[in-house]
Amino acid sequence: QVLLVESGGGVVQPGRSLRLSCAASGFSFSNYAMHWVRQAPGKGLEWVAVISYDGSSKYYGDSVKGRFTISRDNSKNTLYLQMNSLRAEDTAVYYCARDEVSSPSEYFQHWGQGTLVTVSS
Amino acid sequence: DIQMTQSPSSLSASVGDRVTITCRASQGIRNYLAWYQQKPGKVPKLLIYGASTLQSGVPSRFSGSGSGTDFTLTISSLQPEDVATYYCQKYNNVFLTFGGGTKVEIK
Repeated sequence: QVLLVESGGGVVQPGRSLRLSCAASGFSFSNYAMHWVRQAPGKGLEWVAVISYDGSSKYYGDSVKGRFTISRDNSKNTLYLQMNSLRAEDTAVYYCARDEVSSPSEYFQHWGQGTLVTVSS
Repeated sequence: DIQMTQSPSSLSASVGDRVTITCRASQGIRNYLAWYQQKPGKVPKLLIYGASTLQSGVPSRFSGSGSGTDFTLTISSLQPEDVATYYCQKYNNVFLTFGGGTKVEIK
């Protein structure tokens, strides 16, 4: 079955960087677009970024554009999110999610369990 | 940017009640709308896509309707296990947007 496992979360100071990973299994990773979605404590869902199946296309939400970079390594079945210049408002659980198509974007049947990022001094 | 507005933000209803949640897009999105259920401490679960197509395994008491700018999620007979927050999500282009959520509780 489809399995998405995020890692790399933790506590980080404002202005610092963090890289999240999402290890995928149970499907042909290189055939699907992949997303990051986040959820601040007690708040709603916010779409962060998407990358196409081959990494050639990447799109970002306005709140992270210019600071976050999505990437993937299809040889390792792994999705990444490089987060730079972190702010307190980036504090959230970060989910990776699999698109239903190869090129962005549709909806999500499959989600990881999430990894918590806390930005605090 | 297209905004997605859900109403109400919360509701309380009795077991067996018919519950309706509304999602409005600031511009037309045809039928490119999905609904999710998120129970406390859990990952979101896809309920409906294409505005009205029920995801496999989802109970038939859930239904979706609408097109263009106005959409509805209906629970025909509320059950205790339906206590959750429900989100709509548009996907008419590469930039995805979720609604603010509707928290459903049992009266």
